[in-house]
Amino acid sequence: NFMLTQPHSVSESPGKTVTISCTGSSGSIASNYVQWYQQRPGSAPTTVIYEDNQRPSGVPDRFSGSIDSSSNSASLTISGLKTEDEADYYCQSYDSRWVFGGGTKLTVL
Amino acid sequence: QITLKESGPTLVKPTQTLTLTCTFSGFSLSTSGVGVGWIRQPPGKALEWLALIYWDDDKRYSPSLKSRLTITKDTSKNQVVLTMTNMDPVDTATYYCARGLPISFWFDPWGQGTLVTVSS
Repeated sequence: NFMLTQPHSVSESPGKTVTISCTGSSGSIASNYVQWYQQRPGSAPTTVIYEDNQRPSGVPDRFSGSIDSSSNSASLTISGLKTEDEADYYCQSYDSRWVFGGGTKLTVL
Repeated sequence: QITLKESGPTLVKPTQTLTLTCTFSGFSLSTSGVGVGWIRQPPGKALEWLALIYWDDDKRYSPSLKSRLTITKDTSKNQVVLTMTNMDPVDTATYYCARGLPISFWFDPWGQGTLVTVSS
């Protein structure tokens, strides 16, 4: 079964840059698009990156996504961190079924 | 503006069947490629995809839960219904519905979610 693995938590200071990884368990992560969702406490997920590196309208360009085939992983990078970025982030892809990563808690302190 | 909203019981007993309704607006489930999916999240845990129904009535289920799930749609009412049989306390979770987008297989936007507790 295809799985996506994320670090449980990351932390960084305001104004800095943080990268969250999402590693595919098998096959090629580049075979299907990867999305990233932000979930603030008590709220539903919202999309910050779709189709590997596309930003929905309204999402600031501080958010970017990429794929690294050599490590079979996707990454979400947030630059110029703000306290409002503190949230859980989930990667998601498709392998005959919709698959979510375990989520990464981002702390901005 | 696209919106989705989940409705259903907040408390069900073990062994009972859960029925949840997703009522949406701003898009049509008769549009080619579009789907509506259900995703759940146990308290403090990760998201888990459950099921999705496409505009053409094609239905997809999580392999681990397939025997317990049924998804249907009523296009005229803009509603999608998910039933889950034989509920157990481990099924306690917030259940979300979301529009499923083609090609890239992603969900956007999501409903606000509804917390379902399974307890006797």
